[in-house]
Amino acid sequence: NAGVTQTPKFQVLKTGQSMTLQCAQDMNHEYMSWYRQDPGMGLRLIHYSVGAGITDQGEVPNGYNVSRSTTEDFPLRLLSAAPSQTSVYFCASRNGQGRSGANVLTFGAGSRLTVL
Amino acid sequence: GQQVMQIPQYQHVQEGEDFTTYCNSSTTLSNIQWYKQRPGGHPVFLIQLVKSGEVKKQKRLTFQFGEAKKNSSLHITATQTTDVGTYFCAGSWGGATNKLIFGTGTLLAVQP
Repeated sequence: NAGVTQTPKFQVLKTGQSMTLQCAQDMNHEYMSWYRQDPGMGLRLIHYSVGAGITDQGEVPNGYNVSRSTTEDFPLRLLSAAPSQTSVYFCASRNGQGRSGANVLTFGAGSRLTVL
Repeated sequence: GQQVMQIPQYQHVQEGEDFTTYCNSSTTLSNIQWYKQRPGGHPVFLIQLVKSGEVKKQKRLTFQFGEAKKNSSLHITATQTTDVGTYFCAGSWGGATNKLIFGTGTLLAVQP
């Protein structure tokens, strides 16, 4: 099992450009999520999905779109990148839908995005 | 929205000293989890606490969940250089277990 795979690992964008961060998991996890990590801010939840066709907003959803057409994939789209979106992005998945025994997140290796 | 406050932000210790990080919520948590992130790495799950007053141990690490389920702590006894990294708590509230909210983390530096 590869676990959670994120691509690209690094990306530099200019303000206003669009791009998609890819996330794929091979563990048949129902739940997938995106976090961003900034110095001193911890990890902040952007969007999450409890299954194919279902997505919802987290703490900081503005400027980001998601979709979940398959169980395996959960891409994060930046339609018009801004310098404030410079961050490290982590995708994470888990089994179950919040059952207390199945709440553990497995994280990808992260994608470092710089917006100039 | 719900928040988890975590202190301290940074702790520098000599190898062999103990270390503690604390998390607090203003409202009752459903459960709390702890993760460790090594420098340049990704968060890795350590433990989950669910019950009021729960105490769990993993070798030199002791995790506690407060009686009111509003606070939690991670204590490391006799730190080693391998303990270096950022420790995060993450909580969920009520039925909203699909939103796992992370604290700001405590960066632990261990001097040999």
